[in-house]
Amino acid sequence: NAGVTQTPKFQVLKTGQSMTLQCAQDMNHEYMSWYRQDPGMGLRLIHYSVGAGITDQGEVPNGYNVSRSTTEDFPLRLLSAAPSQTSVYFCASSYRTPSSGNTIYFGEGSWLTVV
Amino acid sequence: SQKIEQNSEALNIQEGKTATLTCNYTNYSPAYLQWYRQDPGRGPVFLLLIRENEKEKRKERLKVTFDTTLKQSLFHITASQPADSATYLCALDYGTDKLIFGTGTRLQVFP
Repeated sequence: NAGVTQTPKFQVLKTGQSMTLQCAQDMNHEYMSWYRQDPGMGLRLIHYSVGAGITDQGEVPNGYNVSRSTTEDFPLRLLSAAPSQTSVYFCASSYRTPSSGNTIYFGEGSWLTVV
Repeated sequence: SQKIEQNSEALNIQEGKTATLTCNYTNYSPAYLQWYRQDPGRGPVFLLLIRENEKEKRKERLKVTFDTTLKQSLFHITASQPADSATYLCALDYGTDKLIFGTGTRLQVFP
């Protein structure tokens, strides 16, 4: 199993450009999510999905779009990049059971710089 | 709103000692409290979970306690090794679709 795979690893964008961060998981998890991690801020939830065709906003959704057409894929789109979106982005998938709660599996991260 | 606090200062300990990291929260106790490890340049990795009705959980050299009266979880690494050096995150799970993560505490174990 590859787990959670996200691409690209590094990206530099100019202000106003758009791009898509790709994310795929092969664990057949229903839940998928995107987080951003900034110094001193911890992990903040951007968008999440509880299954194919269902998405919802997290704590910091502005400037980002998501879609979930399949169980495996959950791309994150930056509509018009801004310097405030410079961050490390983590895609994650998870499952919930009564004994394990919502255990999260993270990808390796995507470092995005907006200039 | 719910707040979660981890010591932002790095914890430096000598190899072989027990490292203890703290996670404090406000308001309601979560159904589950989770601990993750994050190495530089990598994504967080799940380590341990403890449920609200559990006082203590162990896994090899790791031990987690959960005190709902103090609203606190302690994460212990016994016989620490330099390879344990990383940032450790705690997360609150209220049984919803979203977890609340702390900012993490960086642990440095020196020989």
